[in-house]
Amino acid sequence: ILNVEQSPQSLHVQEGDSTNFTCSFPSSNFYALHWYRWETAKSPEALFVMTLNGDEKKKGRISATLNTKEGYSYLYIKGSQPEDSATYLCAPSTQGGSEKLVFGKGTKLTVNP
Amino acid sequence: GAVVSQHPSWVICKSGTSVKIECRSLDFQATTMFWYRQFPKQSLMLMATSNEGSKATYEQGVEKDKFLINHASLTLSTLTVTSAHPEDSSFYICSARKDGADTQYFGPGTRLTVL
Repeated sequence: ILNVEQSPQSLHVQEGDSTNFTCSFPSSNFYALHWYRWETAKSPEALFVMTLNGDEKKKGRISATLNTKEGYSYLYIKGSQPEDSATYLCAPSTQGGSEKLVFGKGTKLTVNP
Repeated sequence: GAVVSQHPSWVICKSGTSVKIECRSLDFQATTMFWYRQFPKQSLMLMATSNEGSKATYEQGVEKDKFLINHASLTLSTLTVTSAHPEDSSFYICSARKDGADTQYFGPGTRLTVL
């Protein structure tokens, strides 16, 4: 069973601030790393799927990096907006396919206007 | 798009009754769907993988006779919690994956409360 750690658990920032949080996972048998954004009362929204060491992906003001050798991924949000307030989940999967995602507890981001 | 719906969004039932939750992929076909459960302040935990036309694969510790999964079409999977008890109260959420893709698309979840 993978042990997935996300930090911090929660984060409060002011509108316009840039922020980042971490996802740590075992590096052995790594296959892919998924990031999701989950707003209250909505479906989790897929942000990124990353597979290669050194991968960097970007979607608007959100970007993510991946280090498979040391087992971590960073998610960055540039110029946070109130609508970025959500819980951000990461989920690695092991070799054999992305079928089994093991989720962290998430980082809850609150952006104050 | 890749939209997944789930019904109902919440349900309250009496202990001993059964509850069925539906998960539908609205604009794509999904050979594989997944059922997760989340207890308060815990992470999403995979319960089972649902495969169209075949038996579901359950994770360790999940009772297959208690959590019945049926995936009868490429757009619908159902989870039935049989003889529900208060300890089954939880948030149940499904996801669906497009064939050949890695990303799982999630429904909005179902809050089950068993009295």
